[in-house]
Amino acid sequence: DQQVKQNSPSLSVQEGRISILNCDYTNSMFDYFLWYKKYPAEGPTFLISISSIKDKNEDGRFTVFLNKSAKHLSLHIVPSQPGDSAVYFCAARSRSARQLTFGSGTQLTVLP
Amino acid sequence: EAGVAQSPRYKIIEKRQSVAFWCNPISGHATLYWYQQILGQGPKLLIQFQNNGVVDDSQLPKDRFSAERLKGVDSTLKIQPAKLEDSAVYLCASSLFRADQETQYFGPGTRLLVL
Repeated sequence: DQQVKQNSPSLSVQEGRISILNCDYTNSMFDYFLWYKKYPAEGPTFLISISSIKDKNEDGRFTVFLNKSAKHLSLHIVPSQPGDSAVYFCAARSRSARQLTFGSGTQLTVLP
Repeated sequence: EAGVAQSPRYKIIEKRQSVAFWCNPISGHATLYWYQQILGQGPKLLIQFQNNGVVDDSQLPKDRFSAERLKGVDSTLKIQPAKLEDSAVYLCASSLFRADQETQYFGPGTRLLVL
C-alpha cells in the first residue's frame, strides 16, 4: 500500500524551461511534506518543505505547491539547469508519527 | 558542520554471511534513522532511535536484522544471515528533536550486494 506516489519515473526538460514534478498521497494524517534530491552514489539531500497549513512555499528557483483537497503536491523548478538533473523524492510525515514515508522518486534530466 | 558519516560505502558478501554497517550522525542530533532503499524504490524506514532508545522498529526484519545506538551517538546495523533480497543501499539519517519540523539529513549510504 503506497501512501506516497510519484507516478512519473522520469522527466526530461530543456535547460531554462520549467520542471514540474508531481506527488500524490492517500493518508489524510500527513501534515508535513518534503522534497529531497539525490545524485548517484550520494544520500538524499533536503531541498524544500511545506506544512499542511500552507499551500505554497518558495525558495529561490524551487517552489512547492500543496493541494490538500486533491492530496497532491508539486515541485516547480524554474529555470531548470543541467545541475538539477537528479532523482527527486517526495516525502510525507503524519501528525502522530515522526517518520517519513517516501515516494519512489522521479528522475529529472535537464537537457542543455 | 560535518554531515552524517557512514561506512563502509560498499560491501559484497555471499548469502548467509553476516555484515555490519556503521553510522555517525550530525553532532547534537538526537534522532537517528536507518533506511533500506531497494533499486527503483524510495527509502523505507527500518528503525528509528531517539537518543539511545528505539522509537519504532516495526519494519525491521528482526529475525535477521538488529541495530543498536550505544551512548545515543553512533549506531550500527547488522544483518545475520544475509539473503539475496537484502541487496540494497542502507541509508542513515539524523534530525533534531523538534515538533515543528522533521528535516532529516542523510549520509551517503552503504551499497550492499548479496551474491
